[in-house]
Amino acid sequence: DQQVKQNSPSLSVQEGRISILNCDYTNSMFDYFLWYKKYPAEGPTFLISISSIKDKNEDGRFTVFLNKSAKHLSLHIVPSQPGDSAVYFCASYDYNFNKFYFGSGTKLNVKP
Amino acid sequence: NAGVTQTPKFRVLKTGQSMTLLCAQDMNHEYMYWYRQDPGMGLRLIHYSVGEGTTAKGEVPDGYNVSRLKKQNFLLGLESAAPSQTSVYFCASDGGRAFYGYTFGSGTRLTVV
Repeated sequence: DQQVKQNSPSLSVQEGRISILNCDYTNSMFDYFLWYKKYPAEGPTFLISISSIKDKNEDGRFTVFLNKSAKHLSLHIVPSQPGDSAVYFCASYDYNFNKFYFGSGTKLNVKP
Repeated sequence: NAGVTQTPKFRVLKTGQSMTLLCAQDMNHEYMYWYRQDPGMGLRLIHYSVGEGTTAKGEVPDGYNVSRLKKQNFLLGLESAAPSQTSVYFCASDGGRAFYGYTFGSGTRLTVV
């Protein structure tokens, strides 16, 4: 049973618009939440993270929002660029078990 | 600055054959991990190591063995490959600061026929 779910396998957005990628989790004890970006034939690379004590973290065009009551996090990319086209994985960290749980990924396509 | 290097990048095995995947990191990280990625599923942890000479089981350890004889290397072995082990395998390392994420290798695509 997956503890982290990304229910949208794919998302297509026009260049310059906002991309919103979503992630749901089941365990309220998760401490950190991370987003990774993955290009074809490459490994995932760390993008942005948020602690469970915060509800928002920004880094340039990327913002992660955390809604603990809904057990939901989202990644906003504004403005979206064609180079953002990749698969995005969310991951949740359980400090008690020193373990990450990964979602199944969302493939983002940013159209020029 | 190589980071995490995985070899080989691709491999085709026949059922029952054995092979070893090599992961090497040059960041002096204590923690190393082996994941597999399958369509429609997230990355699933196979085995991990919290330091030289240590190994531990992850979520899906059956059919795999690992060794960490040197701090910089983490080997994943398949003793008798099965078609269910067809997957993309990723190695990752971590300096102990989970908030900053793992450093992943570029992956090994393994097909078992």
